[in-house]
Amino acid sequence: EAGVAQSPRYKIIEKRQSVAFWCNPISGHATLYWYQQILGQGPKLLIQFQNNGVVDDSQLPKDRFSAERLKGVDSTLKIQPAKLEDSAVYLCASSLIRYRGPSYEQYFGPGTRLTVT
Amino acid sequence: AQKITQTQPGMFVQEKEAVTLDCTYDTSDPSYGLFWYKQPSSGEMIFLIYQGSYDQQNATEGRYSLNFQKARKSANLVISASQLGDSAMYFCAVAGDMRFGAGTRLTVKP
Repeated sequence: EAGVAQSPRYKIIEKRQSVAFWCNPISGHATLYWYQQILGQGPKLLIQFQNNGVVDDSQLPKDRFSAERLKGVDSTLKIQPAKLEDSAVYLCASSLIRYRGPSYEQYFGPGTRLTVT
Repeated sequence: AQKITQTQPGMFVQEKEAVTLDCTYDTSDPSYGLFWYKQPSSGEMIFLIYQGSYDQQNATEGRYSLNFQKARKSANLVISASQLGDSAMYFCAVAGDMRFGAGTRLTVKP
């Protein structure tokens, strides 16, 4: 079974530029998550999709971050314009179902390391 | 909002010994789940173990077990017979809005 795919793996941009990350979840996984992990911290949930609908985007800085999952499969996360504090690893994860009750663990992709200079 | 606290920034353990990594949480949900993940230096997040709040028994997965004390809102991870490959960051998380703790860096010494 193929894992969660993410691209690019690394990206360096200057502040005020825009950047986009792509994620392809495990086939059949309805729920997709985007996390931001700043160095030395735990992952912070940015947005959660169930199929192509947004379940939770309460921690997404909507003035500069956007995400979509148009066909309920792969997803893109965009930052425009980027700030220095956006330097982090952006992790995508998927699971069979949203976490309520039974255990459906998340499978994480390798992440995209973003450096904003 | 849920809050997860991991009070041990770093832990050391001798190879083949057991180690306990602490996690306390705060949630108002009547039913919830708790996860532990491992993140090696390569960066990938690896699922270790899950505990449901209404599970009668503490969860176990191979060398990993969860010491769940619901009244104290504590969900400590116990790793038995530590191996050098266990050296990594360990994160506790509460299902729902998937809030993670700050993590504990475990170093296994030979």
